[in-house]
Amino acid sequence: GAGVSQSPSNKVTEKGKDVELRCDPISGHTALYWYRQSLGQGLEFLIYFQGNSAPDKSGLPSDRFSAERTGGSVSTLTIQRTQQEDSAVYLCASSRTVNQPQHFGDGTRLSIL
Amino acid sequence: QKEVEQNSGPLSVPEGAIASLNCTYSDRGSQSFFWYRQYSGKSPELIMFIYSNGDKEDGRFTAQLNKASQYVSLLIRDSQPSDSATYLCAASPDRGSTLGRLYFGRGTQLTVWP
Repeated sequence: GAGVSQSPSNKVTEKGKDVELRCDPISGHTALYWYRQSLGQGLEFLIYFQGNSAPDKSGLPSDRFSAERTGGSVSTLTIQRTQQEDSAVYLCASSRTVNQPQHFGDGTRLSIL
Repeated sequence: QKEVEQNSGPLSVPEGAIASLNCTYSDRGSQSFFWYRQYSGKSPELIMFIYSNGDKEDGRFTAQLNKASQYVSLLIRDSQPSDSATYLCAASPDRGSTLGRLYFGRGTQLTVWP
């Protein structure tokens, strides 16, 4: 079936604006994960969902970041009052259930001017 | 702090050679280990996973796990120029509050020259 789908693929916005990133996991995958990757840096865990619940939100960098998942499927990651340090590639992954291999989407490249 | 360490490289091997990529992890509670390949400008692609001590082979790829030494490796036989990429090692705990997240190394850049 289709892989993990993320939109938009690229987002350029001004500092201080809010942005919303979307992730549609592989059909049937109950676990969904958000990571980000800054230039030259490793992958940084943000949050994961099992169904609609987020057991681990500890990777969210600040209270400007939030995420939700509805219907056990699509998830949105929202960044409020964006800062330049938020510029990164935001990657979404899904797995059949927790601790199964994670498959990544193509990511959203976020640039804050 | 749960850390995954990899040699950043770059690792350069000739076509047809065996490329050996290494990874160590700090959390003894880690139970699942993954290797991802990431081409420049692309997202990580899962190529191998291993849960048990020993070797696991899939085509030209062999993953090796030694939990006593907290060591994971990836061997690529008959390396091809198309294998040139950054290889990411990741570990996952099987219990506790961090269940579910992957801890990634910084990656090893591999170049296979013709």
